[in-house]
Amino acid sequence: GESVGLHLPTLSVQEGDNSIINCAYSNSASDYFIWYKQESGKGPQFIIDIRSNMDKRQGQRVTVLLNKTVKHLSLQIAATQPGDSAVYFCAGRIQGAQKLVFGQGTRLTINP
Amino acid sequence: DADVTQTPRNRITKTGKRIMLECSQTKGHDRMYWYRQDPGLGLRLIYYSFDVKDINKGEISDGYSVSRQAQAKFSLSLESAIPNQTALYFCATSRINEQFFGPGTRLTVL
Repeated sequence: GESVGLHLPTLSVQEGDNSIINCAYSNSASDYFIWYKQESGKGPQFIIDIRSNMDKRQGQRVTVLLNKTVKHLSLQIAATQPGDSAVYFCAGRIQGAQKLVFGQGTRLTINP
Repeated sequence: DADVTQTPRNRITKTGKRIMLECSQTKGHDRMYWYRQDPGLGLRLIYYSFDVKDINKGEISDGYSVSRQAQAKFSLSLESAIPNQTALYFCATSRINEQFFGPGTRLTVL
């Protein structure tokens, strides 16, 4: 099977700084990963995804890095804003499977 | 913005009661999912369905059942609710990979 875990349950950064949220996975056959943001009282919202044939993918203020050698991925948020405060989840999918396995989440707090 | 809707949004019930949570989507997706979220445990998959005639158990299906009434509707039932089923429940849909989540149903079983 697959297990996905986040390294830190909480992370605090100063507004304007960059933040990095880390995630590890266990199954080398995982071929797709996705990051979600969950604000208080809402369902998770898609941020960015990456396939295993890529090392890096960029979106607006966000970058996902994938290191298949150590089975690790990270979400980098540039120039953090108060609206970035939320719980962030990574999820992975094993090749051929149709289900996502979610990590426990990291709560990101942006300090003014 | 209400592509995936869930009803009710909040529910308090008693042990032993039968509860149904409903999910509707207007995204035209074939795939629908039910997840449970508990503090510190992330999202855990209860059941999923890839089309109207396809129902699959997830990692924590015991104590739950589902019905896929139509492409757009997927309901989750707790036949006899117990207190450890108190949690936040999310429905999601997808075409292939990216899943779109509803706003959640907060269920409390007393």
